[in-house]
Amino acid sequence: GNSVTQMEGPVTLSEEAFLTINCTYTATGYPSLFWYVQYPGEGLQLLLKATKADDKGSNKGFEATYRKETTSFHLEKGSVQVSDSAVYFCALSEKDGNNRLAFGKGNQVVVIP
Amino acid sequence: NAGVMQNPRHLVRRRGQEARLRCSPMKGHSHVYWYRQLPEEGLKFMVYLQKENIIDESGMPKERFSAEFPKEGPSILRIQQVVRGDSAAYFCASSPRLGGLSNTGELFFGEGSRLTVL
Repeated sequence: GNSVTQMEGPVTLSEEAFLTINCTYTATGYPSLFWYVQYPGEGLQLLLKATKADDKGSNKGFEATYRKETTSFHLEKGSVQVSDSAVYFCALSEKDGNNRLAFGKGNQVVVIP
Repeated sequence: NAGVMQNPRHLVRRRGQEARLRCSPMKGHSHVYWYRQLPEEGLKFMVYLQKENIIDESGMPKERFSAEFPKEGPSILRIQQVVRGDSAAYFCASSPRLGGLSNTGELFFGEGSRLTVL
């Protein structure tokens, strides 16, 4: 079945540091890949997406590239802000399926001033 | 331009009571999904519905849980005889018609209903 694996544990870093959150996936076919962000007490918001291999999704300074050869979709941001503190979820969706998303466990990111 | 609307935002129930969670999808969306988020965990798929039809309920517990999406009105997730282990955040998401030009595979989420069972 389809699955998404995110790196273990919360991520704590200082303001303006470089952020990387690893995401790898297992899927049949050619899924679309997503990063969702969840701020405290809120629902999930789409951060960025990529629908085919080598696509790069980007938004608010975040980027992720769909790497079919390594089945990865790592999230990066060059200079984080305190306002980026949130939980980040990697997810995949089968294009020919029913839009059902499979999520990773999420990574708590805490940015310290 | 209302998004996905869920209510109540917070619900407290005692063990053995019933919980009803409601979800109105975005305008123009005909597909509804329910996910559960347990503390310190990711989101787990529960059920996928279209109007008057359950398409995929493979993530629903076999007992006590049910979902519907009637022709008129919101989708309802119903939990009977709640237990402490049901305490979680329940998220609803919607998407437009599958195969339509507006469908990019993205789900649009509500803010969630947080159930606490005492």
